[in-house]
Amino acid sequence: GNSVTQMEGPVTLSEEAFLTINCTYTATGYPSLFWYVQYPGEGLQLLLKATKADDKGSNKGFEATYRKETTSFHLEKGSVQVSDSAVYFCALSDQDTGNQFYFGTGTSLTVIP
Amino acid sequence: GAGVSQSPSNKVTEKGKDVELRCDPISGHTALYWYRQSLGQGLEFLIYFQGNSAPDKSGLPSDRFSAERTGGSVSTLTIQRTQQEDSAVYLCASSLYGAGPYEQYFGPGTRLTVT
Repeated sequence: GNSVTQMEGPVTLSEEAFLTINCTYTATGYPSLFWYVQYPGEGLQLLLKATKADDKGSNKGFEATYRKETTSFHLEKGSVQVSDSAVYFCALSDQDTGNQFYFGTGTSLTVIP
Repeated sequence: GAGVSQSPSNKVTEKGKDVELRCDPISGHTALYWYRQSLGQGLEFLIYFQGNSAPDKSGLPSDRFSAERTGGSVSTLTIQRTQQEDSAVYLCASSLYGAGPYEQYFGPGTRLTVT
């Protein structure tokens, strides 16, 4: 079946530090992969996505590359800011096995000045 | 354009009462999803609609939970005989065509508190 395993948090970093949040997946088909972000007091919003192997999604300085060989979609940012403090969710959807989206458990990031 | 809206934003109810939560998806989106997010937890899938039909009800936690969608638009999630463990934020999302490369757009959620 389909599932997403995400690095557990919480993660605390100093401003300008490098961020990696690991995400691996299991899928029987050819899924699309997503990172969603939930800022404090706000709803979930799409951060970036990749729809096929070797695609790189990017937005707001964040990047993630769809790696089929390692079934991974790790989120990275070279220099985090206080405003990046949020909860990050990795997700996949796979048309070939139904129309459900599968979400990871979320990783809470706090960036301190 | 208008995003996904949900009402009410907050609902406090007594144990044993029924509640209805409403979701207005983005116009033209054929797929609609309900999730539950408990404090500090991830998203728990509840039900998915394609048009007015619900091909996947696998996530509904008990027969006290039901949902419908009318006119391929508005959806209502009903919880009967609420229990304290039902307290959570209920999120609705819509997507243009469902799974695949189409992202989900989330509403702000309804925070349900059962006392």
